[in-house]
Amino acid sequence: GAVVSQHPSWVICKSGTSVKIECRSLDFQATTMFWYRQFPKQSLMLMATSNEGSKATYEQGVEKDKFLINHASLTLSTLTVTSAHPEDSSFYICSAREDDSYEQYFGPGTRLTVT
Amino acid sequence: KQEVTQIPAALSVPEGENLVLNCSFTDSAIYNLQWFRQDPGKGLTSLLLIQSSQREQTSGRLNASLDKSSGRSTLYIAASQPGDSATYLCAVRSGTGGFKTIFGAGTRLFVKA
Repeated sequence: GAVVSQHPSWVICKSGTSVKIECRSLDFQATTMFWYRQFPKQSLMLMATSNEGSKATYEQGVEKDKFLINHASLTLSTLTVTSAHPEDSSFYICSAREDDSYEQYFGPGTRLTVT
Repeated sequence: KQEVTQIPAALSVPEGENLVLNCSFTDSAIYNLQWFRQDPGKGLTSLLLIQSSQREQTSGRLNASLDKSSGRSTLYIAASQPGDSATYLCAVRSGTGGFKTIFGAGTRLFVKA
């Protein structure tokens, strides 16, 4: 089956620093990738959708300058949390879609803690 | 503002039973609605996606319906199995001038062997 990996699986950083999270599709080419965040004991929130080679489309209310998304190749998308603050602490999950079908393959998530 | 509610929050059924999970939304002007399952330690899986123009989608033992006028979607699981135990999430995509996908809080399903 299709596999999506994320790196790192967890990261702790200091307030004010930037953190980059990678999302890779291991055995397929992902034309579209999605980034979600999940707060503890809360449901998911879609942050943005990225298509390879073009700018990401951010959901309403998501700060694009805060959460930089790059989808430079068909197997890699990165999310950079810039000038991180404690309120950015969350579980970040990516997913990838191979074509225009509905099916997304999810990564295992990255837990970010900002101190 | 779109709000998505899933009822019940938790459900326990014996194996083999047919069951229905409910998802309701307040703004019927939706783009699409999607069902996911979330397994602890295994992550998320997308199940079915219903476009605004569709009434239902089927995949194996799963059938999802959409009634925009009443602001409801149901996920029907036939002949439930212990492996169906998971949290089921519905997500509604809507908006004008910018989309937003709102997830429900989920229904935690436990199928007893």
